[in-house]
Amino acid sequence: ELKVEQNPLFLSMQEGKNYTIYCNYSTTSDRLYWYRQDPGKSLESLFVLLSNGAVKQEGRLMASLDTKARLSTLHITAAVHDLSATYFCAVPNYGGATNKLIFGTGTLLAVQP
Amino acid sequence: EAQVTQNPRYLITVTGKKLTVTCSQNMNHEYMSWYRQDPGLGLRQIYYSMNVEVTDKGDVPEGYKVSRKEKRNFPLILESPSPNQTSLYFCASSPRVAQETQYFGPGTRLLVL
Repeated sequence: ELKVEQNPLFLSMQEGKNYTIYCNYSTTSDRLYWYRQDPGKSLESLFVLLSNGAVKQEGRLMASLDTKARLSTLHITAAVHDLSATYFCAVPNYGGATNKLIFGTGTLLAVQP
Repeated sequence: EAQVTQNPRYLITVTGKKLTVTCSQNMNHEYMSWYRQDPGLGLRQIYYSMNVEVTDKGDVPEGYKVSRKEKRNFPLILESPSPNQTSLYFCASSPRVAQETQYFGPGTRLLVL
């Protein structure tokens, strides 16, 4: 069964600092998604990574995918308060009878002034 | 505007009183899904639908029903709600399959007393 793990689960960082969120998954997949959820809000798609070595960047966020290591990273550069949110990675499940995305448990990011 | 809508957004009810949460999308998407989000457990899929009249169970279907009579609508039915169904519910859709980017509704916060 596909499992998706994120770490850390909670990250408190200061404005201006850099940090990385990690997403590991247990079985082969050709793609991975990153979503953002603001407190009390819905999930918003950030990135879809479609191949090994894929890198996507938007603003202070950069995501990468290593399908061989089954690892994706979400790197935050010079954090600002507006980036405070919960970040989820998700991997599609291709096996078995179900048809779904498997989500990690999320990383709660709090950027302190 | 392309969107997924849910109603109601907030609901307080009592054990055993049947309720329906509606979900509608205006993007002509074939795939629709229901998730529940609970602290520490991330998002778990309840039911999904590949197209009209095609539905299937996700990871946590017990106590829920769905129907897909029209492409745009995918209501979630709780025939006899119980307190353990207190949660935040999200509807999502994607063009064809779960493996594509999913677009989420605003969420329905349900409290069962």
